[in-house]
Amino acid sequence: ELKVEQNPLFLSMQEGKNYTIYCNYSTTSDRLYWYRQDPGKSLESLFVLLSNGAVKQEGRLMASLDTKARLSTLHITAAVHDLSATYFCAVDLLGNYQLIWGAGTKLIIKP
Amino acid sequence: EAQVTQNPRYLITVTGKKLTVTCSQNMNHEYMSWYRQDPGLGLRQIYYSMNVEVTDKGDVPEGYKVSRKEKRNFPLILESPSPNQTSLYFCASSLTGGYVYGYTFGSGTRLTVV
Repeated sequence: ELKVEQNPLFLSMQEGKNYTIYCNYSTTSDRLYWYRQDPGKSLESLFVLLSNGAVKQEGRLMASLDTKARLSTLHITAAVHDLSATYFCAVDLLGNYQLIWGAGTKLIIKP
Repeated sequence: EAQVTQNPRYLITVTGKKLTVTCSQNMNHEYMSWYRQDPGLGLRQIYYSMNVEVTDKGDVPEGYKVSRKEKRNFPLILESPSPNQTSLYFCASSLTGGYVYGYTFGSGTRLTVV
């Protein structure tokens, strides 16, 4: 059974600081997704990581994937208040289109 | 505008009264799926569909039905809703099962069953 674990589940940080959210998964997969959700809103796609060693960056967010370690990271650089949201990672079962989600990391960035 | 449209946005119903939540996409996507979101549990997949007339169970299909008679529509049917189906529901679609482009989500339907 594929399980996806995120940590931390809650993170409060100051503007200007760096931090990393971790996403571990239990079974072989080659597709990992990061999404953002604002309170009361839908989910917005941030990154799609498709291979071992994949690294993608958008603004202050950078995501990476290590399929051998079954680990993805979402790194936040010099955080700003607008990045406050809940961040989810999700993983496809290899050869399947069933998407398994982490519980989400609620990120609060204080001015 | 490319989008996934869910209706209704909010729904309060009584136990046992059949209901349908509609989902429509205008992007000619082959793949569509339904999720429920509950606090602390993330999203859990209910059903998904790779194409017209092809549907498969996700993690939590009990108590739900779906159909895919047209490419653009993927309604979620609760034949006899119960209070444990109170949740936030999302429909999503993608061109090729998420590969490369990821998934596009609807705005969500908040369902309360009393």
